[in-house]
Amino acid sequence: EVQLLESGGGLVQRGGSLRLSCAASGFTFSSYAMSWVRQAPGKGLEWVSGISSSGGSTYYADSVKGRFTISRDNSKNTLYVQMNSLRAEDTAVYYCAKGRIAGRGTNWFDPWGQGTLVTVSS
Amino acid sequence: DIQMTQSPSSLSASVGDRVTITCRASQGISNSLAWYQQKPGKAPKLLVFAVSRLDSGVPSRFSGSGSGTDYTLTISGLQPEDFATYYCQHYYSTPLTFGGGTKVEIK
Repeated sequence: EVQLLESGGGLVQRGGSLRLSCAASGFTFSSYAMSWVRQAPGKGLEWVSGISSSGGSTYYADSVKGRFTISRDNSKNTLYVQMNSLRAEDTAVYYCAKGRIAGRGTNWFDPWGQGTLVTVSS
Repeated sequence: DIQMTQSPSSLSASVGDRVTITCRASQGISNSLAWYQQKPGKAPKLLVFAVSRLDSGVPSRFSGSGSGTDYTLTISGLQPEDFATYYCQHYYSTPLTFGGGTKVEIK
């Protein structure tokens, strides 16, 4: 069974930093692109960042470009996002999501993790 | 960037009703469209990919259609477990974007 388990969320002050992790199991992690998607309280879904299966290509939403860095460790089956210069508007549940098709850069997502809440206090 | 405009943002319906949700892309996306269902406090769940292909285990009362810039998710015979929020997503290019969501509520 494919499982994605996020961790690292919490309360952080505006301007602070946080690193989220997503531990993957049940599939060949190194074969699939991965993404982070967030959802602010009571709001819709926003794609944040994506990374190719090898980690050689990374993609960001304009809202986080220059502040967030996505990475992966295929030896540890783990996806990361380093979030710096956090703003109140970054407050959200952050989901990691697996690209459905192996080797495909742009993808639909299946499955999603359960999410981890990041709260940025102002 | 490709914008996804989803409508309506909410609707009220009864069990057994036929429900239609629309998603319009700001430019052609070559049928690179998926639909998700999200229930409160839960992660989104994939329903449909490539416009009309149901994911494994998704009931046949769900169907997707469309082409070019206009796409539709239809639920034929709404069931109690279908009351949720639905999102479309394009995967034609980065940045990937979602529609604003449609909340399906009980009438």
